[in-house]
Amino acid sequence: EVQLVQSGAEVKKPGESLKISCKGSGYRFTTNWIGWVRQMPGKGLEWMGIIYPADSDTRYSPSFQGQVTISADKSINTAYLQWSSLKASDTAIYYCAREFSSASMDVWGQGTTVTVSS
Amino acid sequence: DIQMTQSPSSLSASVGDRVTITCRASQSISRFLNWYQQKPGKAPKLLIYAASSLQSGVPSRFSGSGSGTDFTLTISSLQPEDFATYYCQQSYSAPRSFGQGTKLEI
Repeated sequence: EVQLVQSGAEVKKPGESLKISCKGSGYRFTTNWIGWVRQMPGKGLEWMGIIYPADSDTRYSPSFQGQVTISADKSINTAYLQWSSLKASDTAIYYCAREFSSASMDVWGQGTTVTVSS
Repeated sequence: DIQMTQSPSSLSASVGDRVTITCRASQSISRFLNWYQQKPGKAPKLLIYAASSLQSGVPSRFSGSGSGTDFTLTISSLQPEDFATYYCQQSYSAPRSFGQGTKLEI
């Protein structure tokens, strides 16, 4: 079974750093782009960026460029999303998803809830 | 960047109704248009990719059409489990933007 399993919920203070993960299984991890999507409380889906695990080629949405870093470790089939200095406005659910046919996102992680509060 | 606009933002319907949601791109995206369903507290689920291809396991009452800038998602006969929020997404170019969503309510 193709699966993406994300790391657990996080509660952080403003200014702290954070790295969340997305581990793939059931398929060849290096052959599909992995994307990250943000969903703020009560809001819609926002595409953040994608990474190709085979060579770590990365594309960011201009809205998120410089605000987060997307990376991957192909040796352990894991993609990451990280912040160096969190803000309260980073409070959201973050999903990873596999890009498949026509770059649609066919398999999604369960989501990681990030809460940033003083 | 390509902007995606869905209409309506919300829609009230009944079981058995035929429902259509539209999505418009700010420039031509050929057929690189995907539709997702999201239920509260759950991750989105892919319904339709490449404008009209039904994702495996998705009921045939869901269908998609369109090309260029205008697209539609149709549910032929609403079932109770279809009440959810629906999003379109263009995958023609990065950033692969989503529409703002259409909440389908009873």
